[in-house]
Amino acid sequence: QSALTQPASVSGSPGQSITISCTATSSDVGGYNYVSWYQQHPGKAPKLMIYDVSNRPSGVSNRFSGSKSGNTASLTISGLQAEDEADYYCSSNTSNSTGVFGGGTKLTVL
Amino acid sequence: QVQLVQSGAEVKKPGASMKISCKASGFTFTNYYMHWVRQAPGQGLEWMGIINPTGGRTCYAQKFQGRVTMTRDTSTSTVYMELSSLKSEDTAVYYCARDRVAGRSYNWFDPWGQGTLVSVSS
Repeated sequence: QSALTQPASVSGSPGQSITISCTATSSDVGGYNYVSWYQQHPGKAPKLMIYDVSNRPSGVSNRFSGSKSGNTASLTISGLQAEDEADYYCSSNTSNSTGVFGGGTKLTVL
Repeated sequence: QVQLVQSGAEVKKPGASMKISCKASGFTFTNYYMHWVRQAPGQGLEWMGIINPTGGRTCYAQKFQGRVTMTRDTSTSTVYMELSSLKSEDTAVYYCARDRVAGRSYNWFDPWGQGTLVSVSS
């Protein structure tokens, strides 16, 4: 049982917006702001999409955005495209600086 | 460009040990913390631990304490991850990943190696 809870799946049609939530279920995680998000296509290594809650690395589309409110971080993808279909993982730190991932969310583009 | 290249796939027997490597290039190796993350078939990502390439200090996930050893060779810009007493549940793709920010660890993993599949079977 991960200390970060994500929905197992979300779906949306091309052009729509979707939001994936990531809720810290342990007080050991929720107090930290170092949330990051990763995209993983089948058979590929994960790719950093958002770091420090809402920052995008160079080269990541501005259709991807991140936010956080209380114990829940969110990844929003606007203008959904077929290529966005992938698994998405949130990540954060614990109080002793170890890493933790959410269980992952499968995004289906209808 | 920044790149992490991992060693090839391995097949191991239960009870054996494995040691995989991750060679870094395109950045100053000693400036960045390095992590290991694994992914069992059809499962999510699991953080295993971190190593500071400068002094070699490590921190491991509690689940792997006593079974995992992370080391580095600054002369070849390579980090290693050794896991002992292998079980079938250790069958997974193992990834190395660099921390994004030089000098400290935020657990922002960027970039990642290509992954190394380790299969544990009798």
